[in-house]
Amino acid sequence: DAGVIQSPRHEVTEMGQEVTLRCKPISGHNSLFWYRQTMMRGLELLIYFNNNVPIDDSGMPEDRFSAKMPNASFSTLKIQPSEPRDSAVYFCASARGRSTEKLFFGSGTQLSVL
Amino acid sequence: GENVEQHPSTLSVQEGDSAVIKCTYSDSASNYFPWYKQELGKRPQLIIDIRSNVGEKKDQRIAVTLNKTAKHFSLHITETQPEDSAVYFCAARNILTGGGNKLTFGTGTQLKVEL
Repeated sequence: DAGVIQSPRHEVTEMGQEVTLRCKPISGHNSLFWYRQTMMRGLELLIYFNNNVPIDDSGMPEDRFSAKMPNASFSTLKIQPSEPRDSAVYFCASARGRSTEKLFFGSGTQLSVL
Repeated sequence: GENVEQHPSTLSVQEGDSAVIKCTYSDSASNYFPWYKQELGKRPQLIIDIRSNVGEKKDQRIAVTLNKTAKHFSLHITETQPEDSAVYFCAARNILTGGGNKLTFGTGTQLKVEL
């Protein structure tokens, strides 16, 4: 198994632009998580899907952030418009079942908003 | 919601010494406590976990202890080696009101093992 696949690995954009991050979970995993990692705040859960349905989106910072999971093998996290304070590493993770045990993380997307 | 505090933020030890990282949590209903290791520039990876019905778990050089009464848990690494150098994150899982569960991470400990 190739593990959780994220793209792009690096994204540099200008303030105000739309950014779309992509994630392919491990086949057979039906829970998917988007985390944001910064030096100041560590790993923060943004949103959590189970069977493609959002279970908890209380961590989504504001309306500029949105996430979708149209099918079991694909999810996107979109920021529109992007701001410099959105600069961070964004990780996608997946797990079996409804549980948050044994999360498998992707390689992350390093986002820089200038 | 759950709040997880982790200490210290940085830890430097000599090779062969032991390292201890401590975490506290706020939600007494939390029932699962994993530890993740993140090497520089890489993804976090699960190294050990413990459930609330167990007080201690060991896997080779690493062990985790849990004190439910005090709501704290610790990671112990013995005979540290340079490859143990990484950022370590603790986490606690609590149950959401609408079902499902949520993992809240601590802020991480940068462990450096010096030769």
